[in-house]
Amino acid sequence: DAKTTQPPSMDCAEGRAANLPCNHSTISGNEYVYWYRQIHSQGPQYIIHGLKNNETNEMASLIITEDRKSSTLILPHATLRDTAVYYCTVSNGNEKLTFGTGTRLTIIP
Amino acid sequence: KAGVTQTPRYLIKTRGQQVTLSCSPISGHRSVSWYQQTPGQGLQFLFEYFSETQRNKGNFPGRFSGRQFSNSRSEMNVSTLELGDSALYLCASSLARAGNSPLHFGNGTRLTVT
Repeated sequence: DAKTTQPPSMDCAEGRAANLPCNHSTISGNEYVYWYRQIHSQGPQYIIHGLKNNETNEMASLIITEDRKSSTLILPHATLRDTAVYYCTVSNGNEKLTFGTGTRLTIIP
Repeated sequence: KAGVTQTPRYLIKTRGQQVTLSCSPISGHRSVSWYQQTPGQGLQFLFEYFSETQRNKGNFPGRFSGRQFSNSRSEMNVSTLELGDSALYLCASSLARAGNSPLHFGNGTRLTVT
């Protein structure tokens, strides 16, 4: 069973920041938060992960709340190529890594 | 660095047959995980192999099996195929155990059972 909850769909205007929320209220202390995205007909692509601190890479930023019960993936300047299904997962490497249904993000021109 | 390679890309089989899917992980990666993806069920975890040992298994019948070789390459087998086995089968590799390091996915094998 998935340990995360995400909204099923979101829209974002091209060039604006896309903020994708994820709820993981039962996360344990040693579990990482991972984000992946899947563009149609391709395998999921790793985006970013974090444990406690906020993280940033060339693709996105990850904001994790202080109580670690939720997180937000931020795509700072969304483009049409960011249209995809975004998955948030949590894992510590010991249990099976499951994916929920994700958020279908549509970037509007 | 080459990515995760899955072969074949497409496969058509008949009910009752068996099938073997292959996955070559990124060089140096020791963990291989398999997932089944269907429109109705999303991404479902099948199993994870690390250092040739199955570490975790999903809720699939015994018809689904897998193995990992000493070079980390992995195969999964489905016997006595059913129509419901039609799906995209995805393989992902990671440096360490899945969840301790990022997964890198292949583009999958699309299996159609007729």
